[in-house]
Amino acid sequence: AQSVTQLGSHVSVSEGALVLLRCNYSSSVPPYLFWYVQYPNQGLQLLLKYTSAATLVKGINGFEAEFKKSETSFHLTKPSAHMSDAAEYFCAVTLSGSARQLTFGSGTQLTVLP
Amino acid sequence: DGGITQSPKYLFRKEGQNVTLSCEQNLNHDAMYWYRQDPGQGLRLIYYSQIVNDFQKGDIAEGYSVSREKKESFPLTVTSAQKNPTAFYLCASSPRGLSTEAFFGQGTRLTVV
Repeated sequence: AQSVTQLGSHVSVSEGALVLLRCNYSSSVPPYLFWYVQYPNQGLQLLLKYTSAATLVKGINGFEAEFKKSETSFHLTKPSAHMSDAAEYFCAVTLSGSARQLTFGSGTQLTVLP
Repeated sequence: DGGITQSPKYLFRKEGQNVTLSCEQNLNHDAMYWYRQDPGQGLRLIYYSQIVNDFQKGDIAEGYSVSREKKESFPLTVTSAQKNPTAFYLCASSPRGLSTEAFFGQGTRLTVV
C-alpha cells in the first residue's frame, strides 16, 4: 500500500531563511506526488506536482521540490521564507493503476518568525 | 467562476441526529471525494466516486453515506452511527487521470453539541 511520511509536524523558520519540509513515500511502483498548502479553516491549494516529466518541480509562491527515487523523497523547499508562507503543508501520493486518488501525509505546520 | 462549493461552512448537530453536507462542483470533473481532517492526522478518505451512480468506501466509511445522482453533486450524510463526528470535512474533485490534482472546497466544520 502507498503511504506518505512527513517528518516534523511543526517547523519554525525566521523570515528570509530557507524553508525545508520533508516528505518520504513508500511505493513499489512509480508514484505521482503532490504538495498542498492549507490556510486556517480553508481548503487545500495545490503548490506543485511531480508526474515524472522532471525531477525538479517548480510551483507557485517560489516553492520547489525535488523527486529523489533513490531516497524515496519529495522534499519541499523555498529559498527565503515570507510571513505569508505560514500555513500547514501536506504531501500526498497517488499510484498509477489506483482509482482511489490521493493518500495524504499528516501535515507540517510552518511558522515564520519575524 | 468554476470551483467547488461546500455548504454550510459551519454545522452543529445534536447527538443522534443525521446531517447532510453539501458538495457541488461546476468543473465538469468525473471524480469526487470526501475527506475528514482531524488535528495531527492529515486527511483521511471517507468515500470517493469515479462516475455518476457509483462510489466506493475509503479508509473510514463507517457511519457515513453518500450518493452520486448527478455529476455535479456528491452529498455526504453523517449518520448517528458515527461515534465521533466532530471534524473538518473537505470535498474534492478531479478530472480523470491519476496525474491530475484534486481541487478542494473550503470545507465544512461539523460540531456535535
